[in-house]
Amino acid sequence: AQSVAQPEDQVNVAEGNPLTVKCTYSVSGNPYLFWYVQYPNRGLQFLLKYITGDNLVKGSYGFEAEFNKSQTSFHLKKPSALVSDSALYFCAVRDNNAGNMLTFGGGTRLMVKP
Amino acid sequence: GAVVSQHPSWVICKSGTSVKIECRSLDFQATTMFWYRQFPKQSLMLMATSNEGSKATYEQGVEKDKFLINHASLTLSTLTVTSAHPEDSSFYICSANSGRVYNEQFFGPGTRLTVL
Repeated sequence: AQSVAQPEDQVNVAEGNPLTVKCTYSVSGNPYLFWYVQYPNRGLQFLLKYITGDNLVKGSYGFEAEFNKSQTSFHLKKPSALVSDSALYFCAVRDNNAGNMLTFGGGTRLMVKP
Repeated sequence: GAVVSQHPSWVICKSGTSVKIECRSLDFQATTMFWYRQFPKQSLMLMATSNEGSKATYEQGVEKDKFLINHASLTLSTLTVTSAHPEDSSFYICSANSGRVYNEQFFGPGTRLTVL
Protein backbone atom coordinates (compact mmCIF):
# COMPACT_ATOMS: atom_id res chain seq x y z
CA ALA A 1 0.00 0.00 0.00
CA GLN A 2 1.14 3.52 -0.73
CA SER A 3 0.85 6.45 1.65
CA VAL A 4 1.83 10.08 1.97
CA ALA A 5 2.39 12.16 5.08
CA GLN A 6 2.42 15.93 5.32
CA PRO A 7 3.40 16.50 8.95
CA GLU A 8 2.44 20.16 9.12
CA ASP A 9 -1.18 21.29 8.94
CA GLN A 10 -0.05 24.86 8.44
CA VAL A 11 3.16 26.67 7.57
CA ASN A 12 3.55 30.37 8.24
CA VAL A 13 6.23 32.39 6.53
CA ALA A 14 6.92 36.06 5.94
CA GLU A 15 6.89 37.39 2.40
CA GLY A 16 10.33 37.26 0.86
CA ASN A 17 11.54 34.46 3.10
CA PRO A 18 12.21 30.94 1.86
CA LEU A 19 9.50 28.36 2.40
CA THR A 20 9.46 24.60 2.80
CA VAL A 21 6.42 22.33 2.85
CA LYS A 22 7.31 18.83 3.95
CA CYS A 23 6.22 15.54 2.46
CA THR A 24 7.26 11.94 3.09
CA TYR A 25 5.97 8.90 1.28
CA SER A 26 5.81 5.14 1.37
CA VAL A 27 5.50 2.87 -1.67
CA SER A 28 6.49 -0.66 -2.50
CA GLY A 29 7.91 0.14 -5.92
CA ASN A 30 9.44 3.22 -7.45
CA PRO A 31 7.48 6.38 -6.66
CA TYR A 32 6.04 8.95 -8.96
CA LEU A 33 5.69 12.09 -6.81
CA PHE A 34 3.57 15.17 -7.37
CA TRP A 35 2.76 18.50 -5.78
CA TYR A 36 -0.54 20.25 -6.34
CA VAL A 37 -1.87 23.59 -5.10
CA GLN A 38 -5.49 24.37 -4.33
CA TYR A 39 -7.01 27.83 -3.98
CA PRO A 40 -10.35 28.29 -2.15
CA ASN A 41 -13.28 26.60 -3.90
CA ARG A 42 -11.08 25.56 -6.78
CA GLY A 43 -9.73 22.30 -8.10
CA LEU A 44 -6.13 21.25 -7.89
CA GLN A 45 -3.43 22.82 -10.01
CA PHE A 46 -0.37 20.82 -10.92
CA LEU A 47 2.92 22.30 -9.69
CA LEU A 48 5.59 19.72 -10.41
CA LYS A 49 6.40 16.05 -10.53
CA TYR A 50 9.28 13.65 -10.05
CA ILE A 51 9.38 10.57 -12.21
CA THR A 52 13.04 9.82 -12.72
CA GLY A 53 16.33 11.62 -13.30
CA ASP A 54 17.55 14.70 -11.48
CA ASN A 55 16.49 14.71 -7.84
CA LEU A 56 15.81 18.46 -7.92
CA VAL A 57 12.66 19.19 -9.84
CA LYS A 58 11.63 22.69 -10.88
CA GLY A 59 7.99 23.53 -11.39
CA SER A 60 5.47 26.29 -11.82
CA TYR A 61 5.54 29.70 -10.06
CA GLY A 62 9.14 29.31 -8.92
CA PHE A 63 8.53 26.20 -6.83
CA GLU A 64 10.93 23.29 -6.70
CA ALA A 65 11.10 20.00 -4.85
CA GLU A 66 13.89 17.63 -3.98
CA PHE A 67 13.46 13.88 -4.15
CA ASN A 68 15.41 12.15 -1.39
CA LYS A 69 15.19 8.40 -1.72
CA SER A 70 17.02 7.56 1.50
CA GLN A 71 14.70 9.76 3.53
CA THR A 72 11.65 8.97 1.37
CA SER A 73 10.92 12.66 1.20
CA PHE A 74 9.80 15.12 -1.46
CA HIS A 75 9.75 18.52 0.22
CA LEU A 76 8.40 21.51 -1.67
CA LYS A 77 10.50 24.66 -1.59
CA LYS A 78 10.58 28.21 -2.86
CA PRO A 79 13.46 30.67 -2.29
CA SER A 80 11.26 33.73 -1.77
CA ALA A 81 7.61 33.46 -0.76
CA LEU A 82 4.86 35.69 -2.11
CA VAL A 83 1.59 36.57 -0.40
CA SER A 84 -0.15 35.09 -3.45
CA ASP A 85 1.44 31.71 -2.66
CA SER A 86 -0.95 31.39 0.28
CA ALA A 87 -3.02 28.30 -0.50
CA LEU A 88 -3.48 24.63 0.32
CA TYR A 89 -0.72 22.34 -0.92
CA PHE A 90 -1.05 18.62 -1.50
CA CYS A 91 1.70 16.08 -2.00
CA ALA A 92 0.72 12.91 -3.85
CA VAL A 93 2.39 9.64 -4.76
CA ARG A 94 1.75 7.02 -7.35
CA ASP A 95 3.38 3.63 -7.11
CA ASN A 96 4.52 2.74 -10.61
CA ASN A 97 3.54 -0.85 -9.84
CA ALA A 98 0.01 0.10 -8.81
CA GLY A 99 -1.60 1.69 -11.83
CA ASN A 100 -2.75 5.26 -12.07
CA MET A 101 -4.15 5.77 -8.59
CA LEU A 102 -2.84 8.79 -6.71
CA THR A 103 -2.65 8.85 -2.94
CA PHE A 104 -2.75 12.30 -1.40
CA GLY A 105 -1.30 13.66 1.78
CA GLY A 106 -3.55 15.50 4.18
CA GLY A 107 -2.58 18.88 2.83
CA THR A 108 -0.63 21.79 4.27
CA ARG A 109 -2.00 25.29 4.41
CA LEU A 110 0.66 27.85 3.54
CA MET A 111 0.14 31.33 4.95
CA VAL A 112 2.48 34.02 3.65
CA LYS A 113 2.23 37.26 5.58
CA PRO A 114 3.29 40.62 4.15
CA GLY B 1 -1.78 21.92 -21.23
CA ALA B 2 -4.58 19.46 -20.72
CA VAL B 3 -7.84 20.94 -19.51
CA VAL B 4 -10.56 19.24 -17.52
CA SER B 5 -13.90 20.93 -16.96
CA GLN B 6 -16.70 20.20 -14.56
CA HIS B 7 -20.31 21.20 -14.74
CA PRO B 8 -21.96 22.59 -12.76
CA SER B 9 -19.46 24.46 -10.63
CA TRP B 10 -21.96 24.59 -7.79
CA VAL B 11 -25.41 23.21 -7.17
CA ILE B 12 -27.98 23.46 -4.41
CA CYS B 13 -30.70 20.84 -4.28
CA LYS B 14 -33.40 19.56 -2.01
CA SER B 15 -32.99 16.40 -0.01
CA GLY B 16 -34.18 13.35 -1.94
CA THR B 17 -33.36 14.65 -5.39
CA SER B 18 -30.63 13.38 -7.69
CA VAL B 19 -27.80 15.51 -9.01
CA LYS B 20 -25.58 14.81 -12.01
CA ILE B 21 -22.07 16.21 -12.27
CA GLU B 22 -20.20 16.13 -15.56
CA CYS B 23 -16.45 15.86 -16.01
CA ARG B 24 -14.99 16.51 -19.45
CA SER B 25 -11.48 16.36 -20.83
CA LEU B 26 -11.44 19.20 -23.34
CA ASP B 27 -8.31 18.63 -25.39
CA PHE B 28 -7.32 15.03 -24.80
CA GLN B 29 -8.88 11.61 -24.56
CA ALA B 30 -9.09 10.32 -21.03
CA THR B 31 -8.91 6.57 -20.74
CA THR B 32 -9.25 6.86 -16.98
CA MET B 33 -11.11 9.35 -14.86
CA PHE B 34 -11.17 9.63 -11.11
CA TRP B 35 -13.78 11.05 -8.78
CA TYR B 36 -12.77 12.55 -5.45
CA ARG B 37 -14.66 14.01 -2.56
CA GLN B 38 -13.23 16.72 -0.34
CA PHE B 39 -14.62 17.84 2.98
CA PRO B 40 -13.77 21.29 4.33
CA LYS B 41 -10.14 21.63 5.34
CA GLN B 42 -9.46 17.99 4.47
CA SER B 43 -7.63 16.13 1.78
CA LEU B 44 -9.10 14.50 -1.26
CA MET B 45 -10.71 11.13 -0.80
CA LEU B 46 -10.80 8.91 -3.87
CA MET B 47 -14.32 7.67 -4.45
CA ALA B 48 -13.97 5.69 -7.64
CA THR B 49 -11.96 5.09 -10.77
CA SER B 50 -13.76 4.92 -14.07
CA ASN B 51 -12.45 3.53 -17.32
CA GLU B 52 -14.16 4.26 -20.59
CA GLY B 53 -16.55 1.52 -21.57
CA SER B 54 -16.36 -0.44 -18.36
CA LYS B 55 -17.83 -0.34 -14.88
CA ALA B 56 -16.29 1.98 -12.32
CA THR B 57 -14.17 0.63 -9.52
CA TYR B 58 -15.35 2.00 -6.20
CA GLU B 59 -13.23 2.50 -3.12
CA GLN B 60 -14.14 0.76 0.07
CA GLY B 61 -17.00 2.44 1.87
CA VAL B 62 -18.38 4.23 -1.19
CA GLU B 63 -21.92 3.17 -2.08
CA LYS B 64 -22.17 2.18 -5.71
CA ASP B 65 -25.92 2.66 -5.86
CA LYS B 66 -25.72 6.11 -4.37
CA PHE B 67 -22.87 7.46 -6.44
CA LEU B 68 -23.49 6.32 -10.00
CA ILE B 69 -20.59 6.77 -12.36
CA ASN B 70 -20.81 6.53 -16.12
CA HIS B 71 -17.77 6.90 -18.37
CA ALA B 72 -19.62 6.94 -21.65
CA SER B 73 -16.88 8.29 -23.88
CA LEU B 74 -13.19 9.10 -23.84
CA THR B 75 -13.96 12.70 -22.95
CA LEU B 76 -16.88 12.46 -20.56
CA SER B 77 -17.56 10.90 -17.19
CA THR B 78 -20.59 11.65 -15.04
CA LEU B 79 -21.21 11.25 -11.34
CA THR B 80 -24.83 11.09 -10.22
CA VAL B 81 -25.58 11.52 -6.55
CA THR B 82 -28.89 9.73 -6.13
CA SER B 83 -31.43 10.60 -3.45
CA ALA B 84 -29.12 13.21 -2.05
CA HIS B 85 -29.05 13.96 1.67
CA PRO B 86 -27.44 16.82 3.59
CA GLU B 87 -24.48 14.59 4.51
CA ASP B 88 -23.69 14.31 0.80
CA SER B 89 -22.91 18.01 0.75
CA SER B 90 -19.28 18.28 -0.24
CA PHE B 91 -16.81 19.42 -2.88
CA TYR B 92 -16.55 16.86 -5.67
CA ILE B 93 -13.49 16.90 -7.90
CA CYS B 94 -12.77 14.82 -10.96
CA SER B 95 -9.45 14.17 -12.63
CA ALA B 96 -8.37 12.54 -15.84
CA ASN B 97 -5.29 11.19 -17.50
CA SER B 98 -4.63 10.01 -20.99
CA GLY B 99 -3.00 6.77 -20.01
CA ARG B 100 0.39 7.78 -21.32
CA VAL B 101 3.32 6.65 -19.28
CA TYR B 102 4.35 9.13 -16.57
CA ASN B 103 1.31 11.26 -17.22
CA GLU B 104 0.04 13.26 -14.29
CA GLN B 105 -3.62 13.56 -13.52
CA PHE B 106 -5.34 16.75 -14.62
CA PHE B 107 -7.96 18.01 -12.25
CA GLY B 108 -11.25 19.69 -12.86
CA PRO B 109 -12.21 22.86 -10.98
CA GLY B 110 -14.57 21.00 -8.67
CA THR B 111 -18.30 21.07 -8.00
CA ARG B 112 -19.71 22.35 -4.73
CA LEU B 113 -22.83 20.37 -3.83
CA THR B 114 -25.12 21.64 -1.08
CA VAL B 115 -28.11 19.51 -0.13
CA LEU B 116 -30.77 21.29 1.88
